[in-house]
Amino acid sequence: DAKTTQPPSMDCAEGRAANLPCNHSTISGNEYVYWYRQIHSQGPQYIIHGLKNNETNEMASLIITEDRKSSTLILPHATLRDTAVYYCIVRVGGPSGTGKLIFGQGTTLQVKP
Amino acid sequence: SAVISQKPSRDICQRGTSLTIQCQVDSQVTMMFWYRQQPGQSLTLIATANQGSEATYESGFVIDKFPISRPNLTFSTLTVSNMSPEDSSIYLCSAGLRREGPLSYNEQFFGPGTRLTVL
Repeated sequence: DAKTTQPPSMDCAEGRAANLPCNHSTISGNEYVYWYRQIHSQGPQYIIHGLKNNETNEMASLIITEDRKSSTLILPHATLRDTAVYYCIVRVGGPSGTGKLIFGQGTTLQVKP
Repeated sequence: SAVISQKPSRDICQRGTSLTIQCQVDSQVTMMFWYRQQPGQSLTLIATANQGSEATYESGFVIDKFPISRPNLTFSTLTVSNMSPEDSSIYLCSAGLRREGPLSYNEQFFGPGTRLTVL
């Protein structure tokens, strides 16, 4: 699975968009980009994933660059409850995927009032 | 989604003893995994619990130290054997559910974790 690089921490004002970057320059053609988050004292929670197109769901949007070497998770209107560690993970998806997730250090997002 | 419960939620154990952690999923799942999260650190994958066969361990983890059982599609156990203070961590169980669609993928759900302290 390709390695990812994320900033260790970020701040965001409540109600503003939070944009969390991730670099994955060694990503291969069959690898997907996944985002999970871990709120303090809880297990990680799935947010969104994508292959090459931008994706949006009820929680967030995922923007993947055309060369797929980086991506950005966007929380459109951050709330205090979005304070968490956000993990960007790259791994093989589809039927050939092993299913396992390898976590990096993630980005600690602090949403401030 | 899948709801995962773990027992015990926390424990304090003596050095040299063993603890078995149970993980129960409310639906049948194809994949189950065990992770460790040391204080202030990210999650580290210990092993994939395979139903009907031996677990697949990641580099740095061995069966003698972390024996795993997976008797059926909803249940797994992890034993932390011959514990030392370095084993003090949160141990998390996760289960993978297959999601079909334009981007088929395996969504992982995590249990609340077992907080282990070894004295």
